Amino acid sequence: GENVEQHPSTLSVQEGDSAVIKCTYSDSASNYFPWYKQELGKRPQLIIDIRSNVGEKKDQRIAVTLNKTAKHFSLHITETQPEDSAVYFCAASLRGSARQLTFGSGTQLTVLP
Amino acid sequence: DAGVIQSPRHEVTEMGQEVTLRCKPISGHDYLFWYRQTMMRGLELLIYFNNNVPIDDSGMPEDRFSAKMPNASFSTLKIQPSEPRDSAVYFCASSLAGQGVSKNIQYFGAGTRLSVL
Repeated sequence: GENVEQHPSTLSVQEGDSAVIKCTYSDSASNYFPWYKQELGKRPQLIIDIRSNVGEKKDQRIAVTLNKTAKHFSLHITETQPEDSAVYFCAASLRGSARQLTFGSGTQLTVLP
Repeated sequence: DAGVIQSPRHEVTEMGQEVTLRCKPISGHDYLFWYRQTMMRGLELLIYFNNNVPIDDSGMPEDRFSAKMPNASFSTLKIQPSEPRDSAVYFCASSLAGQGVSKNIQYFGAGTRLSVL
């Protein structure tokens, strides 16, 4: 089955700096890659996603890039703010849809004021 | 819509007791997922349903776990008998399949924090 690896497991940045989280996946058939943000004690919430027919997608301060050849994708957060502090999960869809997601192990991002 | 609704939010029980977790998906959604989250294993998919039919239960850890979806607006995850290692946060999520920007996105409930003593 699909295997998603996520790095780093923890990341601390100064407010205003950028943060980058990287994921790799194993199944070349995967073609949907969402990112979820989970604040402490809260539910995971989708913040951005990308499909394999696109190489990059941006939404204000967040962006995701996808390299299908290397089977890796990354989340970029610019101008980080304290409210960006949370656990971020990447995921990959095994069957080319969002019906069954395999999640990475998560990255605890801390933005220091 | 109120989103995915789970109950109870917290459950504390003793080893050997039966535990039932409940989920109401977003109205109109045709997929429902049950996940378990622990520090050690992260977010694990336990089972998912399409149009009330279980599609893949390969993530269910053992026979003590069972899930049902008697109708489009209700699902249960039951653990009988419960064990301390079942302690975790259990999330339910739902999605609507199809083409379009909002399709195929999984929306999570607030979760049930289960503690088995």
